[in-house]
Amino acid sequence: EVQLVESGGVVVQPGGSLRLSCAASGFTFDDYAMHWVRQAPGKGLEWVSLISWDGGSTYYADSVKGRFTISRDNSKNSLYLQMNSLRAEDTALYYCAKDPSSGGTAPRFDYWGQGTLVTVSS
Amino acid sequence: SYELTQPLSVSVALGQTARITCGGNNIGSKNVHWYQQKPGQAPVLVIYRDSNRPSGIPERFSGSNSGNTATLTISRAQAGDEADYYCQVWDSSTVVVFGGGTKLTVL
Repeated sequence: EVQLVESGGVVVQPGGSLRLSCAASGFTFDDYAMHWVRQAPGKGLEWVSLISWDGGSTYYADSVKGRFTISRDNSKNSLYLQMNSLRAEDTALYYCAKDPSSGGTAPRFDYWGQGTLVTVSS
Repeated sequence: SYELTQPLSVSVALGQTARITCGGNNIGSKNVHWYQQKPGQAPVLVIYRDSNRPSGIPERFSGSNSGNTATLTISRAQAGDEADYYCQVWDSSTVVVFGGGTKLTVL
């Protein structure tokens, strides 16, 4: 059974930093691209970032480019999101999601975690 | 950047057919995916590449895509189908684009 478990969400002040983690199990982690998708309270889904199976390719939404960094450790079956210079508008539930392809060249999400809540507030 | 437009809400009588649209410029040339999100839960993929159902998704869910509109069709709607539905495509400039979401109400 595929499982994705996010962690690391907390309340952080504007301008602060945070690292989210996603622990994957139930599939061969290093065969697949992975994503972060977020959802602000009461709002729709917003794609954040994509990383290819080997970490060689990464992509970001314009809203986070230059502030967030996606990475993965295939030896630990883990996905990460380093979030810097956080803003109030980054407040959201952050989901880790699996892509059914290795490169994420035609991305979609076949499995999702339950999310971890990030609140940016003073 | 590419944009997807969905109606905010759709209502359907119990047992009838619901159709949720997703509009985009020449969306028929793209692969459209649909997600169902029930309150307090993570999204679930219900249709991929326009009209394909993942395993475990009822045959009542179907999809089509042509011209400037993609459509998710839910036949014989059930109370358990009440949820928010999102369409999604890949775009070369934006990578991943989601529609704004449609709240389905089963009356």
